[in-house]
Amino acid sequence: GENVEQHPSTLSVQEGDSAVIKCTYSDSASNYFPWYKQELGKRPQLIIDIRSNVGEKKDQRIAVTLNKTAKHFSLHITETQPEDSAVYFCAASHPNSGYALNFGKGTSLLVTP
Amino acid sequence: GAGVSQSPSNKVTEKGKDVELRCDPISGHTALYWYRQRLGQGLEFLIYFQGNSAPDKSGLPSDRFSAERTGESVSTLTIQRTQQEDSAVYLCASSLALSSSYNEQFFGPGTRLTVL
Repeated sequence: GENVEQHPSTLSVQEGDSAVIKCTYSDSASNYFPWYKQELGKRPQLIIDIRSNVGEKKDQRIAVTLNKTAKHFSLHITETQPEDSAVYFCAASHPNSGYALNFGKGTSLLVTP
Repeated sequence: GAGVSQSPSNKVTEKGKDVELRCDPISGHTALYWYRQRLGQGLEFLIYFQGNSAPDKSGLPSDRFSAERTGESVSTLTIQRTQQEDSAVYLCASSLALSSSYNEQFFGPGTRLTVL
């Protein structure tokens, strides 16, 4: 089955700096890669996603890049703010498994003022 | 509009008892997923339903776990003879369709299960 690795497990940055979280996946059939943000005690919320037919997607301060050959994808957050502090999860999925999400173990991001 | 809802929000049970968790997906969403999140961990896929097709149970950790869904509405996850390692937050998610180009999964608030 699909195996998703996520690094780092914790990340601390100063407000205004950039944060990068990296994930790798194992199943070349995976073609949908969402990123979820989970604040303490809350449900996961989708922040951005990318499909395998594109290499990069951007939404304001958030961008995701995908390298299908290397089977890795990354989340980039620019101009970080304290409210970006949360746990971020990457995931990979494919239609053969009904797009069930295989999650990484998460990255706890702390943005200090 | 109404999002995914789950009940109960919290459940404390004794080891060996059965529990039933409920999920109400967003109206019109044909796909429904169950995940488990242990404390401080990522989410593990358990099972998914798509319309009237047979569910994919490949993620269920043991035969003590089962789930049902009535048509394209409510789903229940049942854990029989609960064990302490079953303690976790159980999250339900729904999405519009598997074949759609847009298949964002919307999560419910979860049920926190504690097995004493």
